[in-house]
Amino acid sequence: EVQLLESGGGLIQPGGSLRLSCAASGFSFSNYDMSWVRQAPGRGPEWVSTIRSSGFNTFYADSVKGRFTISRDNSKNTLYLQMNSLRAEDTALYFCAKDLTAGCYLCAFDLWGQGTMVTVSS
Amino acid sequence: QSALTQPASVSGSPGQSITISCTGTSSDVGASKYVSWYQQHPGKAPQLIIYDVANRPSGVSNRFSGSKSGNTASLTISGLQAEDEADYYCSSYTSGSTLYVFGTGTKVTVL
Repeated sequence: EVQLLESGGGLIQPGGSLRLSCAASGFSFSNYDMSWVRQAPGRGPEWVSTIRSSGFNTFYADSVKGRFTISRDNSKNTLYLQMNSLRAEDTALYFCAKDLTAGCYLCAFDLWGQGTMVTVSS
Repeated sequence: QSALTQPASVSGSPGQSITISCTGTSSDVGASKYVSWYQQHPGKAPQLIIYDVANRPSGVSNRFSGSKSGNTASLTISGLQAEDEADYYCSSYTSGSTLYVFGTGTKVTVL
């Protein structure tokens, strides 16, 4: 079955760190660019970060640049998001998402996970 | 980078057609062929329904159609059905420092 399964969310104090994981299955993970998209309660989605299929190129939204790091392990079909210096405004449901077409850079996301909730609060 | 602007809500009766607008700038919608639309039901992940302005992924009903004129993209839902009641978000690649932007979202209500 083609799917993405996120994990690693939870309640964390401001200034803390968390690492999210996204396990992919059912498609050739190493061929696709992958992204993290978050959605705060009652708000629309917000693009967070993208990593190219090779893992060599990464891109970040201004709101997380310098605090978050995206990475991937193509041998394990897994995407990661290391989140440091967390703030209250980072509270959201974090989705991993797959690009529509191999080699298509931020064109569209055709496969999403169910999301993992991150709550930043003291 | 600001979110793309959508109407907060649109409603219609079963069988009618509705159109949702998505207004951006010459740095995103106006310049990009990568304009997409997503449908999101409560408690679910977004689902891609239109990509590259006007293309439908396999399995998506042909009642959904997309277009673009200048800095504004549009999603039309024809033959409105109860199951179409959901939130809809446009998105676009952007040449700004934040490379990808979503719309503010539109809640579609089927009367």
